[in-house]
Amino acid sequence: EVQLVQSGAEVKKPGESLKISCKGSGYTFSDYWIGWVRQMPGKGLEWMGVIYLGDSDIRYSPSFQGQVTISADKSIGTAYLQWSSLKASDTAMYYCARRGRYHYGLDVWGQGTTVTVSS
Amino acid sequence: DIVMTQTPLSLSVTPGQPASISCKSSHSLLHSDGKTYLYWYLQKPGQSPQLLIYEISSRFSGVPDRFSGSGSGTDFTLKISRVEAEDVGVYFCMQGINIRTYTFGQGTKLEIK
Repeated sequence: EVQLVQSGAEVKKPGESLKISCKGSGYTFSDYWIGWVRQMPGKGLEWMGVIYLGDSDIRYSPSFQGQVTISADKSIGTAYLQWSSLKASDTAMYYCARRGRYHYGLDVWGQGTTVTVSS
Repeated sequence: DIVMTQTPLSLSVTPGQPASISCKSSHSLLHSDGKTYLYWYLQKPGQSPQLLIYEISSRFSGVPDRFSGSGSGTDFTLKISRVEAEDVGVYFCMQGINIRTYTFGQGTKLEIK
């Protein structure tokens, strides 16, 4: 079964750092892009950026460039999203999603990681 | 950025009746390769989004044929021929013409009467 499994919920304080993960299974990791999507409480979906596991090519959405860091470890089929200094406004659900090889839609989604930033 | 505008933002439908959602983009989604990178997703309550339709009108694997997509250029429509209880949730359109700047519509919440 093709799936993406994300790391668990996080509760952090403003100014702290955080790295969440997204592990793929059931497919050839290096053939796909993995993207990150933010969903703030009660809101819609926002594209943050994407990484190609084959060569770690990264494309950031202009809205998130400099705000987060996307990385990956191809050897274990895992993509990461990290913050160096969290803000309360980073409180959201974060999804990873695989971009299809032939149709380019986001065809497999992780279950989501809830990040809560509060003092 | 390409802005995606959905209408309506909510709709309430009797089971067995049709439903239609419109999505308009601020720029054409027709790529020079001849494909139009418009997608539809459904986010059921408490779940991750799931892909329904890709490239305007192609149903993703396992999607019932009561779902159909149409349109071209900047105007697109998702139709459900006969709404079922399991169709409740929020529907999003998404443009994917540039992998760095995907954008989603605001979402349309479908409820059952």
